[in-house]
Amino acid sequence: AQTVTQSQPEMSVQEAETVTLSCTYDTSESDYYLFWYKQPPSRQMILVIRQEAYKQQNATENRFSVNFQKAAKSFSLKISDSQLGDAAMYFCAYRSSLNDMRFGAGTRLTVKP
Amino acid sequence: GAVVSQHPSRVICKSGTSVKIECRSLDFQATTMFWYRQFPKQSLMLMATSNEGSKATYEQGVEKDKFLINHASLTLSTLTVTSAHPEDSSFYICSARDRRTAGETQYFGPGTRLLVL
Repeated sequence: AQTVTQSQPEMSVQEAETVTLSCTYDTSESDYYLFWYKQPPSRQMILVIRQEAYKQQNATENRFSVNFQKAAKSFSLKISDSQLGDAAMYFCAYRSSLNDMRFGAGTRLTVKP
Repeated sequence: GAVVSQHPSRVICKSGTSVKIECRSLDFQATTMFWYRQFPKQSLMLMATSNEGSKATYEQGVEKDKFLINHASLTLSTLTVTSAHPEDSSFYICSARDRRTAGETQYFGPGTRLLVL
């Protein structure tokens, strides 16, 4: 079974600074997708970024980028120039081509003004 | 990204009653929808996978007679919590897979907060 591990229950960052959220996963599949979702206090799950495993290039979306290390099964999220609106729960998620999406336990990010 | 709506956003009901939650994909067709349950300060737990035109697939430990799922069209899936009890109180989130996108990204509804008295 695939598992997703987020080892940081809570993280804190100063506004305008950079923070990295960690995620590792376990799988025997070669074809899969990885996602980071944000869940603000409204509890609406919002897609932040996605990465196809077959792509070596790390995905980027404006201030958000990932460091995808396939051999190490690591998929960290970097948030640059952190803003107050970035404060939320962040969930790392894994999905193979055949299975449903599995989530990590989440990391609560606090942004200090 | 694609839009998924969920209704109602919150519901309070008496123990023993049934509650229906609707999940709609507004701007795309979703052959597959998912229902999750989320307890406070916890991650999302997959309850079942809903496939259009066929029976839902339930995760281990989820009672299919308790949580009835109907995916009657390509844009609508419903979750009915039958004979609800206080332990069913939770936050329920639906998700729909958009096959048009790379990785068939899942988009989420805003969730339904259920409180059973």
